[in-house]
Parts: sequence; structure tokens; C-alpha cells
Amino acid sequence: AQSVTQPDIHITVSEGASLELRCNYSYGATPYLFWYVQSPGQGLQLLLKYFSGDTLVQGIKGFEAEFKRSQSSFNLRKPSVHWSDAAEYFCAVALYNQGGKLIFGQGTELSVKP
Amino acid sequence: KAGVTQTPRYLIKTRGQQVTLSCSPISGHRSVSWYQQTPGQGLQFLFEYFSETQRNKGNFPGRFSGRQFSNSRSEMNVSTLELGDSALYLCASSPPASGRDTQYFGPGTRLTVL
Repeated sequence: AQSVTQPDIHITVSEGASLELRCNYSYGATPYLFWYVQSPGQGLQLLLKYFSGDTLVQGIKGFEAEFKRSQSSFNLRKPSVHWSDAAEYFCAVALYNQGGKLIFGQGTELSVKP
Repeated sequence: KAGVTQTPRYLIKTRGQQVTLSCSPISGHRSVSWYQQTPGQGLQFLFEYFSETQRNKGNFPGRFSGRQFSNSRSEMNVSTLELGDSALYLCASSPPASGRDTQYFGPGTRLTVL
């Protein structure tokens, strides 16, 4: 079955430390890949997306993600976390022939220690 | 451009009632998707409408329905509400086309069923 897995439900990092959030997908072909962030009481905001080409993609707020086909992974990274990054992060995939349908992982809640 | 708007933002209903939620997409966007977000099940795709036609559908019972108008505004309806329907309902819009288009999310409607 097609699925998206975010193994870490909750991560706590210190402000200024680096961050990596994991995402694995299970699809027959390379899907379109997205990372969204959700602050409490808010909708989802797109951080970055991958369709093809360079496997390292840059997003907003200093985030980047690397697509690794061999590992079916699309991990999100940030070199130095700010307190305002505390939020819930969702990895999502879409298939080329199902344009409006995003399949989401369960989310990773990020806490930032001062 | 104005973002995706959803009304109402909060709603309280009782079991057995029905409810209608509204979504206005970003100007020029023709695809509208709906998602249900709960703590237990996470973010789940409900359905997508494109040019007034349902293009994709998730695994939800027939009590969940939607429609799209000629101006791309969309409504979703839930009949015979159950306690488990309590959730944040998110709407997202995107330009017409494929899975590579970014979906822009609204702030959501928080539905509580008592």
C-alpha cells in the first residue's frame, strides 16, 4: 500500500542546534514530495517541494531537504534552529495523475529548548 | 492575492445534525481539495474538485460530500454527524493540473460534535 512514514513523533532540539526530520515513502514510482509546517491553530504552509532534478532542494525559512531514491527518503534539515521553528512538520507525497490528492505522514512535532 | 479562506472557523454541532463548510480558493485556482485532520488519524484526504467535478476521492463514507461552484468556491457537507467527525477540516487550492502543483491551505474549520 502507498504510504508516507515519519518515524519521529516528537523531537526536541536546543536553539541553535541542527535539525533533521525523517520521511520515508512507499510508492512504485518517484512521487512528488513536499514538506509542510503547521503552527498551532493554523493551516499548513509549504516549506519546499521536489519534483525532479537536483536532489537537494532549498525552501523557505532556511530549510532544505534531500531526496534519496535508493532509500525512498526525503529528509528535512536546518543547520541552526530558531525558537520560532517550534511547530508540527508534515511530509507529503502526490502522484502525477492524482493532482489534488496529497498523502501525508503522521507528522513530527518539534520543540525548541532555549 | 488573498489566500484561501474558510468559513466558519469554528462550529459546534450535535450528533445527528448536518453541517456545511465553505472554502474560497485563491483567485485563479480551479482545484480545491479537502482534508480532515484528527489527532488519531492525522491528515486524511477527503476529495478534490476541479472545474465543478469531483476528480479524486478518499476513503470516507457517503455522509461526506462536496461540490464546487462555477467560481471555484467549494462546500463540503457532512450529514448525520457522529462524535468521530470532530476534527479540523482543511481546504486547499491549487492551479489546475498535476500533482506537482503546490496546494495552498486555508486556516481550517474546527468542527466539534457533541
